[in-house]
Amino acid sequence: QKEVEQDPGPLSVPEGAIVSLNCTYSNSAFQYFMWYRQYSRKGPELLMYTYSSGNKEDGRFTAQVDKSSKYISLFIRDSQPSDSATYLCAVIYGQNFVFGPGTRLSVLP
Amino acid sequence: DSGVTQTPKHLITATGQRVTLRCSPRSGDLSVYWYQQSLDQGLQFLIHYYNGEERAKGNILERFSAQQFPDLHSELNLSSLELGDSALYFCASSPPSGNTEAFFGQGTRLTVV
Repeated sequence: QKEVEQDPGPLSVPEGAIVSLNCTYSNSAFQYFMWYRQYSRKGPELLMYTYSSGNKEDGRFTAQVDKSSKYISLFIRDSQPSDSATYLCAVIYGQNFVFGPGTRLSVLP
Repeated sequence: DSGVTQTPKHLITATGQRVTLRCSPRSGDLSVYWYQQSLDQGLQFLIHYYNGEERAKGNILERFSAQQFPDLHSELNLSSLELGDSALYFCASSPPSGNTEAFFGQGTRLTVV
């Protein structure tokens, strides 16, 4: 079992849709949870991070963590074509960052 | 701009050769991480350095090595290169106040022919 799993997609949605991206992890010792966005052939950029169960909102993005289920979600409201990218969830374990394989999202105009 | 600088951006070399990838972390960051990303693959952790010391190793081949220098820049050395080593190599740094965020460079695209 991989430590962090994501549906690789691709996921295609129309512009303006609400997007839900999900991630599961295997180790309850993971404490910090992050979402990164990676445009094609670019370095990943940090979108959001959180360390507690519950929701964290930043503009059109909401990160949700359910530690009891070991489940992480990222919601994107009013999705835009510029949101088309690969979204990677990541956890911190000790001093290491462990990344999921990423979900490729396409937002169609 | 994340503040992490990687050079070169592109590298084309032949099988059997050796290359060195360079990373300058963000000002003040003590941790440097190296990752490999092959086509349509996720980020594979290679190695982590903190203030000049190796802290963790991931799936790093014996042909690969890294070091972090006193000025905190890091180099990843890849030797006896094979076609399968073609990938994007990313460096990331994180602040010393607790590893809660990793900031990535733009990567070095290595092509082995």
